[in-house]
Amino acid sequence: DGGITQSPKYLFRKEGQNVTLSCEQNLNHDAMYWYRQDPGQGLRLIYYSQIVNDFQKGDIAEGYSVSREKKESFPLTVTSAQKNPTAFYLCASSIDSGGDTYNEQFFGPGTRLTVL
Amino acid sequence: GENVEQHPSTLSVQEGDSAVIKCTYSDSASNYFPWYKQELGKGPQLIIDIRSNVGEKKDQRIAVTLNKTAKHFSLHITETQPEDSAVYFCAARSRNTGKLIFGQGTTLQVKP
Repeated sequence: DGGITQSPKYLFRKEGQNVTLSCEQNLNHDAMYWYRQDPGQGLRLIYYSQIVNDFQKGDIAEGYSVSREKKESFPLTVTSAQKNPTAFYLCASSIDSGGDTYNEQFFGPGTRLTVL
Repeated sequence: GENVEQHPSTLSVQEGDSAVIKCTYSDSASNYFPWYKQELGKGPQLIIDIRSNVGEKKDQRIAVTLNKTAKHFSLHITETQPEDSAVYFCAARSRNTGKLIFGQGTTLQVKP
């Protein structure tokens, strides 16, 4: 079964704690993305990676960190520096992301993070 | 910066009626415009997309139109059904960065 998996589906953390959200894809896609979704707003890009061992900040990277050590994995860490971390987090992947090519982004099911 | 505006934010129609959602984008170099449907608690799923060299595309009850001069594109759903109820997002892809810029979303309710 090909696709993108995110775990866990629901995550609770105490204020001041770091937490890591998992994203795995078996689509052999080069590019991977993390988005944040808040009620009544569109998806906002946190970080993206076009290739292994490389990633770039998106529009709202402050308080987040990522790594891309393997092609299939792109974990997101929400640090204690993120002032308002409660949100729905979506991971996506595509074959590639640059130049004149335009390929569909496939989304995972999301992780809902709640800070208590 | 790059921006996509989407209207309306909520839309309620009677089953069988048509629904239209409109988006405008700021980056004239955008070359790809996907539409996503998101059901409650799930990730968005692509329902239709259009490239910048095409003015219209249709897939059964769903169609998308693109006006590059005016920099706007629209989603049309005909013969709506209750299962069409969801949040719909438009997006525009920047040719320079490859990033998708999303609209704010439209919550569509189809009343039986």
